[in-house]
Amino acid sequence: KAGVTQTPRYLIKTRGQQVTLSCSPISGHRSVSWYQQTPGQGLQFLFEYFSETQRNKGNFPGRFSGRQFSNSRSEMNVSTLELGDSALYLCASSWTVGNEQFFGPGTRLTVL
Amino acid sequence: GEDVEQSLFLSVREGDSSVINCTYTDSSSTYLYWYKQEPGAGLQLLTYIFSNMDMKQDQRLTVLLNKKDKHLSLRIADTQTGDSAIYFCAETFNQAGTALIFGKGTTLSVSS
Repeated sequence: KAGVTQTPRYLIKTRGQQVTLSCSPISGHRSVSWYQQTPGQGLQFLFEYFSETQRNKGNFPGRFSGRQFSNSRSEMNVSTLELGDSALYLCASSWTVGNEQFFGPGTRLTVL
Repeated sequence: GEDVEQSLFLSVREGDSSVINCTYTDSSSTYLYWYKQEPGAGLQLLTYIFSNMDMKQDQRLTVLLNKKDKHLSLRIADTQTGDSAIYFCAETFNQAGTALIFGKGTTLSVSS
């Protein structure tokens, strides 16, 4: 069974631009969560989706948004990029809410 | 609020046992997890323990949970150089979802 895939793997943007990251969960998994990893703040929860509905949201500004499609694939969008948004963005999927999460390799976003 | 604390570094010799410790704050967490992250990679789920268990063993890994003290530990027997990585302890954000709160991670260095 294929693991969680994330595209693109690397991305370079400039301040003020917007970016969309994509995540395909493990086949059959219906819950997708997103995390931001930075050297200073560590791993921080962004949001969680299940059956196209956002179930939980972390403490991030409204510039960070996401959605989930009917096939469970998920996207997250960051608008008006700031230098501090440079991070590894990790997506995780689980069979359903409350089950163990399996992580993808992440998308490394660099904001110049 | 919720918080997960880990020591930042651990150095051991090949063949020795490694013990990585973690304290958490949310006693309502249903599951507690250990993840491993190698350089440039995503998170690999190592093992998890249900909150009503005291111990779980999985090959070279032993997880101990002390709910009274909110203390979790991961013991790696016969540590190998390939075990060198960052190890993260995580608890569930709340009972309603899968969202995880992570510690800052413990960097395990194994010397031969």
